[in-house]
Amino acid sequence: SQQGEEDPQALSIQEGENATMNCSYKTSINNLQWYRQNSGRGLVHLILIRSNEREKHSGRLRVTLDTSKKSSSLLITASRAADTASYFCATDAKPGGYQKVTFGTGTKLQVIP
Amino acid sequence: NAGVTQTPKFQVLKTGQSMTLQCAQDMNHNSMYWYRQDPGMGLRLIYYSASEGTTDKGEVPNGYNVSRLNKREFSLRLESAAPSQTSVYFCASSQWGEGNQPQHFGDGTRLSIL
Repeated sequence: SQQGEEDPQALSIQEGENATMNCSYKTSINNLQWYRQNSGRGLVHLILIRSNEREKHSGRLRVTLDTSKKSSSLLITASRAADTASYFCATDAKPGGYQKVTFGTGTKLQVIP
Repeated sequence: NAGVTQTPKFQVLKTGQSMTLQCAQDMNHNSMYWYRQDPGMGLRLIYYSASEGTTDKGEVPNGYNVSRLNKREFSLRLESAAPSQTSVYFCASSQWGEGNQPQHFGDGTRLSIL
């Protein structure tokens, strides 16, 4: 069963706009990660946020984590056509779950030039 | 620096045939994983190897076997392929540290079973 569920399933925006996608999960976690997948390629790690962190930035990416609501959001600012990809959240559950993360079903982002 | 390398990239099999998907990483990671990705299902863990010499079942292990050949290599075997195993298979690796660390993925093997 999927631990993380992304919302929306698909998102289409104009270049330069901001893109926000959300991830909800079911059980307590150690950390949450976001990955990007370009068409026909493997997943690429973007950012990891630990359960005791509330916000993290990396370049044009901003991730928030609300453990009370069991949700996270990924914001991509000033989007570019090259940001077109699918985005997945991944969580590992407490307790245990050694190195096992569970991936959500993804948000497919299209950035129109 | 190649990262995670998967072979083959594409394969077509007939029902009942067997084959082995190969994966190798050059990052000296201790943990390796096999996932399958199906439309609308995200990635599902088939098997993982926390460290050399150990393997464990993931969410969908039925119909598969794995071998952690050494620290670098982790193979996935389909003994008797079924159409339900048509999917894209990804291998990943990571380094165990203070909690989960980012996983590094190969570009996948696209497998069709007729």
